[in-house]
Amino acid sequence: NAGVTQTPKFQVLKTGQSMTLQCAQDMNHEYMSWYRQDPGMGLRLIHYSVGAGITDQGEVPNGYNVSRSTTEDFPLRLLSAAPSQTSVYFCASTERGGYNEQFFGPGTRLTVL
Amino acid sequence: AQKITQTQPGMFVQEKEAVTLDCTYDTSDQSYGLFWYKQPSSGEMIFLIYQGSYDEQNATEGRYSLNFQKARKSANLVISASQLGDSAMYFCAMREGGGYNKLIFGAGTRLAVHP
Repeated sequence: NAGVTQTPKFQVLKTGQSMTLQCAQDMNHEYMSWYRQDPGMGLRLIHYSVGAGITDQGEVPNGYNVSRSTTEDFPLRLLSAAPSQTSVYFCASTERGGYNEQFFGPGTRLTVL
Repeated sequence: AQKITQTQPGMFVQEKEAVTLDCTYDTSDQSYGLFWYKQPSSGEMIFLIYQGSYDEQNATEGRYSLNFQKARKSANLVISASQLGDSAMYFCAMREGGGYNKLIFGAGTRLAVHP
């Protein structure tokens, strides 16, 4: 199992550009989430999904869109990048009734100029 | 409102000694889970240990143990016999109720292990 994979690892955008951060998991987990980590802070929840076709907003959803058409994939779209979106983005997955760990991807480091 | 507080921005410990990293939480839910993650300088998030609110015994995983004091709403991580490789950021996180994929994180504690 590859676990949770994220692409790209690094990305530089200009203000106003759009892009999609990719996330995939091969563990058949129903639950997936996107977090961002800013310097000196813990992770904050952006959007999450409890299954294909079902998504909801987390703590900091503004400026981001998600969709979940398959169990495996959960892409995060930046609609019009802003410097405030410079951050490290983590995707995570866990199984239903996951009383144990969330499995995190390696992260995507995004810089918006 | 749900909240995780880690009051120690930085800690240091001598190799082979034990260290306690503090975590307090705030929730009105009866059912919740508490997690500790390690983030080395390479950036990945490594799961260390989990404690459920209904678990009667403190969780242990190898050199990691969680000192769970429910009445005080604290969930401190104890690392025994520290190793140089334990130098990293450590995050406490909480899951409330059925929000299995909705974790709330503290700001973290940076641990430095000295030889």
